[in-house]
Formats: sequence, structure tokens, C-alpha cells
Amino acid sequence: DIQMTQSPSSLSASVGDRVTITCRATPTVYKYLNWYQHKPGQAPRLLIYATFNLQSGVPSRFSGSKSGTDYILTISSLQPEDFATYYCQQSYSAWTFGQGTRLEI
Amino acid sequence: QVQLVQSAAEVKKPGASMKVTCKTSGYTFSGHYIQWVRQAPGKGLEWMGWISPNSGVTHYVEKFQGRVTMTTDTSIRTAYMELSSLTTDDTAVYYCARQNHYESSGYFDFWGQGTLITVSS
Repeated sequence: DIQMTQSPSSLSASVGDRVTITCRATPTVYKYLNWYQHKPGQAPRLLIYATFNLQSGVPSRFSGSKSGTDYILTISSLQPEDFATYYCQQSYSAWTFGQGTRLEI
Repeated sequence: QVQLVQSAAEVKKPGASMKVTCKTSGYTFSGHYIQWVRQAPGKGLEWMGWISPNSGVTHYVEKFQGRVTMTTDTSIRTAYMELSSLTTDDTAVYYCARQNHYESSGYFDFWGQGTLITVSS
């Protein structure tokens, strides 16, 4: 089974900050890594698919990248509506979510 | 526009079964797998499995095998997820989602609003 390790589990930040969230997959999932945003009482929202690709309608302050075995979600300038929980998801072998990163003020 | 609308919240007794409905619109139903995901209180997202509306083929996470049944009715563009032998650990919000394709894989691009199932005696 593929194990997903997401870090940090929680993060405090302020409006305007640059934030990065990391996900590590063991073994590798190549480029098959997606990112979702989830707010309480709402459905999860797809942000990034296949490591780099911005989903239609998602603001360009969100971006995905890869460094070695780490997959990175970057929010370039936090907006008030970005405070939520973020999940990575591997789609290389079945599907597995990371444990989530709670982004709070 | 693509929409997935789920059935209302329910309360179930331990040992009972539950069935969540996911009505879709705005796209070719048979062209996309339906995925099911749940979130227990205070926990993260947990993938449960998928069904192909075109073929009826299913894939269930091993944890749920023997207790879960995913079906579709293509005539009304609706997917169903039934879970039996409920315990309090099954208390969660259950989501259906449309899988979109990317090369040999994909991602979940549209989601239902979620259905809260509470298991309590």
C-alpha cells in the first residue's frame, strides 16, 4: 500500500503570508498527486491535479510542485477564504488521502 | 452545470443498514466513475471505493468489503452506496464524487454536498 505523509498537521498564518504544505508518498506515485481544500460543512474542492495542474476556476495563488519525493502545495498570498483543511491524494495505485493540514489564523 | 445531489441526513441503529443516494446532472453519467469518500467526526477524508456506471464494475477498499455495495441506475443518472452492519464507528459524512480522467488515473472534480449518517442506539 502507498503511504501518504502530510506535513505540517496544522499551521497558523496570516492574510498575505506565503504558505507551503508538503506531502510525501512511499513508494513513489510519480505525478499522480492531487490537492483538495475542505471547509467545514462544505464538499471538498479540487485545487491541483497531477502535481502541477490548476483546476479550472481555482485562483492562481495556488500552485503545485515537486521536489525529490516531496509534493508541495503553495499558496502565494493567503486570503481570508483560504483558511481551511488541505488534503493531498495519490491516484497512482487506487486512492489514498493524506491526513490533512489545518490552516488557521 | 455538473451537479451531484445527495440524500438527506439519517440516524441509524447499530446493526442496521444505510443507503445514500447521489443524483447527478449536467454531464454524461456513464462516462465517469463515481467515487465514495467519508469523513468521521474530527477525522480526515477516507476513500471507500468506486463504481463504473458504464459497466457496473466496482472496487471497494478492503476495510469495507463484505459490508459495502455500490450500485447505479443509469436511467435516472443516480448512484447508491449501501453500508450494512453499522457500528458507531460508521458515524460520518459520506460524499459521492465524480472522477475525471487524467491519463491512466484521475481526480475527483465534482462532489456531492455530503450526507451525515449518525449511528446511535
